[in-house]
Order: sequence, then C-alpha cells, then structure tokens
Amino acid sequence: DIVMTQSPDSLAASLGERATINCKSSQSVLYSSNNRNYLAWYQQKPGQPPKLLIYWASTRESGVPDRFSGSGSGTDFTLTISSLQAEDVAVYYCQQYYSSPFTFGPGTKVDIK
Amino acid sequence: EVQLVESGGGLVQPGRSLRLSCAASGFTFDDYAVHWVRQAPGRGLEWVSGISWNSDTIGYADSVKGRFTISRDNAKNSLYLQMNSLRAEDTALYYCAKSGVYGDPRGWFDPWGQGTLVTVSS
Repeated sequence: DIVMTQSPDSLAASLGERATINCKSSQSVLYSSNNRNYLAWYQQKPGQPPKLLIYWASTRESGVPDRFSGSGSGTDFTLTISSLQAEDVAVYYCQQYYSSPFTFGPGTKVDIK
Repeated sequence: EVQLVESGGGLVQPGRSLRLSCAASGFTFDDYAVHWVRQAPGRGLEWVSGISWNSDTIGYADSVKGRFTISRDNAKNSLYLQMNSLRAEDTALYYCAKSGVYGDPRGWFDPWGQGTLVTVSS
C-alpha cells in the first residue's frame, strides 16, 4: 500500500500570508505511460464533506480560487495558498489515486493567526 | 447538478449488519467508478471500497476486507455497501464519491455526498 504523509500537522498564518502544505508518498505516483501524477488535494471545512481543489497534482478544479496551487512530482508534492483568506480555514488532505487502496494523508489543519 | 445522497446509517450493535445506499443523479452513473470513504469522529479520511462502472474491478481496504461488500445497480443509479460483522471501530460518517475520470476507477473523488453516520455500539 502507498502511505501518504503530510507536514505540518497544523499551521497558523496571518491573513494575506502564504501557507504551504507538504505531502509525501511512500512510492512514486507518477504514471510513466501518460506522465501524470495521480495526486489530488481536498479541503474539508467543519461539518462539510471534502471538496476537491486540485487533481493531477497541479490542475485546479473549476471554480477553485487561483490562490490555491499544487506542485510536485513523483513522491513529493506541495499545496500552496498564496494569500490566506478567512474562508480558507479548514483541514487539507492529499490523496493518491495511483493504486488501490486509494490512500489519504492524515490532514493538515490551517488556521488564521 | 451532480448529486450523491447516502442513506441507511444508524445505531447498530457489534456483530450485526447494515446496508448503506447512495443515490446518484445529474450524471451518467454507469460511466463512472464510485467509492465509499469513511471518517471516524474527529479523525481523517479512510478509503473503504471502490467499484468500476461495470463492477468488473472492485477494491477494499484491508480493514474491511471479508466483512464489507460493495455493489452497484446501474439501472437504479445506486451504489451500495453491505457491512457485516460490524465493530466499534467501524463507527464513522460514510461518504460516497464519484470518480473524476470517465471509465477509470483511478480518479480523484468529486463530488462527495453529505454522508450517513454509522454508530456501532451495544
């Protein structure tokens, strides 16, 4: 099974500051035949289901603000919020969909300082 | 609008069974794989099971293998999860989610339903 880890466990940043979340997979999720990274990012606010932010590691879902961006390849990935807003307070999860079981990272809680 | 609505959760004693359902609308159900994901109270997300569009490919987390069975009825636009031999550690909010990739179980999950709560307790 592919194990997903995230760092930090939580972070607090001021409004307008950059927030960076790291995700690491125990094996590569880059599929060589199509050169795509099978990695997604989700945002979950209290009392709500997760919401897709990013897929293929760096493709922003329609309607997601452009302050959210994803990067990385192979085993190391990053979600960046370029200018933190109050409505971004949430838990963020990465997930690999390269192979079953489709594992999630443990989550990173983002708060406003 | 793509929508997934789960039902069937409730309070059940350890060792008993429960069947969850997920009603899909707003998309061609039999074009996509669908999945169950659970979240224990205050915890993270755990993929439980997934099924391809034609039921040919099915996967389970080790934690539920041999106890849970996923199935789908494309004529009814519905997904199911039969849960047997339930344990206290199966207590969670169970979400269904659609694969984001046409015809491929290996896709991101979007959208998600609101979830149905399963509580296993005597």
